[in-house]
Amino acid sequence: RKEVEQDPGPFNVPEGATVAFNCTYSNSASQSFFWYRQDCRKEPKLLMSVYSSGNEDGRFTAQLNRASQYISLLIRDSKLSDSATYLCVVNMADAGKSTFGDGTTLTVKP
Amino acid sequence: DAGVTQSPTHLIKTRGQQVTLRCSPKSGHDTVSWYQQALGQGPQFIFQYYEEEERQRGNFPDRFSGHQFPNYSSELNVNALLLGDSALYLCASSDRTGTVDYEQYFGPGTRLTVT
Repeated sequence: RKEVEQDPGPFNVPEGATVAFNCTYSNSASQSFFWYRQDCRKEPKLLMSVYSSGNEDGRFTAQLNRASQYISLLIRDSKLSDSATYLCVVNMADAGKSTFGDGTTLTVKP
Repeated sequence: DAGVTQSPTHLIKTRGQQVTLRCSPKSGHDTVSWYQQALGQGPQFIFQYYEEEERQRGNFPDRFSGHQFPNYSSELNVNALLLGDSALYLCASSDRTGTVDYEQYFGPGTRLTVT
């Protein structure tokens, strides 16, 4: 079993749709959590950190459930420019090692 | 403010050869991590350097080695290249003395092809 697992995808949604991605992690000692976005053949870019209290950045909302070892990302009012691969990232204590999921690909269509 | 830079952008090597990839971290960052990303997969952690020492290592063989210089830049060396080493190699920098979240910023990567 992988340490970080994401929805297999791909997700194909129309513009304006709401879409949610899920991610589970296996190591309960994990300390910090992130969502990154990666466009085709580009480097990953930090989208947002994920906090236990939940956090929102415009159309994006991230949630963390430590008890269930589960992270989510909700995108509201999808735009064509949201088309990308979304990577879930889990850091261990001391942040020495980051573990990435394999990503979920989102395609937003007109 | 310069972001993370990597060189070269592309590289083609023959099986058995050795390769060195270079990374300069974002200004103000002191920690460099290296990742290997195969097609269709997420980045896999190779190792992390801080204060010129390897601090953490992922599940990669000793053929993968690195170095960090006093100016925080870093090199990744891979010896005895295998076909399976073909991948995008990403460097990420962070500020270890900053927030506990250790947000990482990635360079554009070096695409290595082993033939």
